[in-house]
Amino acid sequence: NAGVTQTPKFQVLKTGQSMTLQCAQDMNHNSMYWYRQDPGMGLRLIYYSASEGTTDKGEVPNGYNVSRLNKREFSLRLESAAPSQTSVYFCASTPDRTYNSPLHFGNGTRLTVT
Amino acid sequence: QQQVKQSPQSLIVQKGGISIINCAYENTAFDYFPWYQQFPGKGPALLIAIRPDVSEKKEGRFTISFNKSAKQFSLHIMDSQPGDSATYFCAASISQAGTALIFGKGTTLSVSS
Repeated sequence: NAGVTQTPKFQVLKTGQSMTLQCAQDMNHNSMYWYRQDPGMGLRLIYYSASEGTTDKGEVPNGYNVSRLNKREFSLRLESAAPSQTSVYFCASTPDRTYNSPLHFGNGTRLTVT
Repeated sequence: QQQVKQSPQSLIVQKGGISIINCAYENTAFDYFPWYQQFPGKGPALLIAIRPDVSEKKEGRFTISFNKSAKQFSLHIMDSQPGDSATYFCAASISQAGTALIFGKGTTLSVSS
């Protein structure tokens, strides 16, 4: 069972470069999320998609765009990377947004922007 | 404004001891309080969760204690083991509104053998 798969696992970018982080889930979940994790800051929500065809901003959306390509895939794009975007990015999914739907996380993408 | 405050930032406990991690929240509309466990190089995974209509929930060695009037909840790990060494996150959400989880900043637990 793959669960939530994130690619790539590691990436180094130069300031100003762009890239797309890919996320796919095989659990037929409706809702998908992107979080970033920084030391001492916990997990902060960037964007989420409650269902296919919808996306909403989270706590720290600036500098990012997302696409819910289909029910399985939710991508995160950095148009012009900045050093402040150096972080570990986690994609997660849930069956729906009710209280008893735990988040299933991928193993993360570690991004360094120089 | 930080909506979920977690303490301590780090914790060292001897094998067999009790680990206690605390969280406090601001928003009285929160009605779902999970704890997530994260091992190095992995994503977080749900450990245990509670709703505010109960004051305590126990699953094995892990217990959540909830104090609605104080707007606080805590995770207790009994008989702590080296395999419990991980980062723990508390979180909260408003389930009726379907809001995304708000996480605390995390506690790094080290259990020494």
